Amino acid sequence: QVQLQESGPGLVKPSETLSLTCTVSGGSISSYYWNWIRQPAGKGLEWIGRIFSSGSTNYNPSLKSRVIMSIDTSKNRFSLRLISVTAADTAVYYCARDPKGGFDFWGQGTLVTVSS
Amino acid sequence: DIQMTQSPSSLSASVGDRVTITCRASQSISSSLNWYQQKPGKAPNLLIFAASSLQSGVPSRFSGSGSGTDFTLTISSLQPEDFATYYCQQSYSTLLTFGGGTKVEIK
Repeated sequence: QVQLQESGPGLVKPSETLSLTCTVSGGSISSYYWNWIRQPAGKGLEWIGRIFSSGSTNYNPSLKSRVIMSIDTSKNRFSLRLISVTAADTAVYYCARDPKGGFDFWGQGTLVTVSS
Repeated sequence: DIQMTQSPSSLSASVGDRVTITCRASQSISSSLNWYQQKPGKAPNLLIFAASSLQSGVPSRFSGSGSGTDFTLTISSLQPEDFATYYCQQSYSTLLTFGGGTKVEIK
């Protein structure tokens, strides 16, 4: 059974960089799209972007100027960096696998709060 | 961007009721439509992919239909564990987008 686990700081200061890693276990990271999705408290889901195992990326245009995704296939993990954060970036951040037919496996989510 | 509009935004229903949730895309997305269930404090769970294919392990009371711009998720007989928020999501374009969600509450 594939499992995903997000890790990273739960508190980030305004204007600094949010950095999260998603570690994949129980399956290979190869040949799938790997996604980041976030959800502010009490609100809906927002897709941030995805990275393929080859390293190619697609980002949400609303965040594109601030997002960098990377992947390390040797360690079966991928990462998100979101620069110049503000309070509006406070949310639960999920990583999820996409075999090109919906997000079939998700991490449990990690709350990131942007506050000084 | 392809906008996804769900209706209703919330509904109240009783155990055993048949429930239908609608999702409309701002342009044709063929059958590239997925449905998720989310319970409080939990990650979403994929129910239906490609508009009508049941994800492995999902009860058969869940079904999806539609193509083009109009889609529906149907729960044939609502069970206590089905009270949750449901989201549609299009995977047609490289910018993936979700509907705003439908909260199913107990009447």
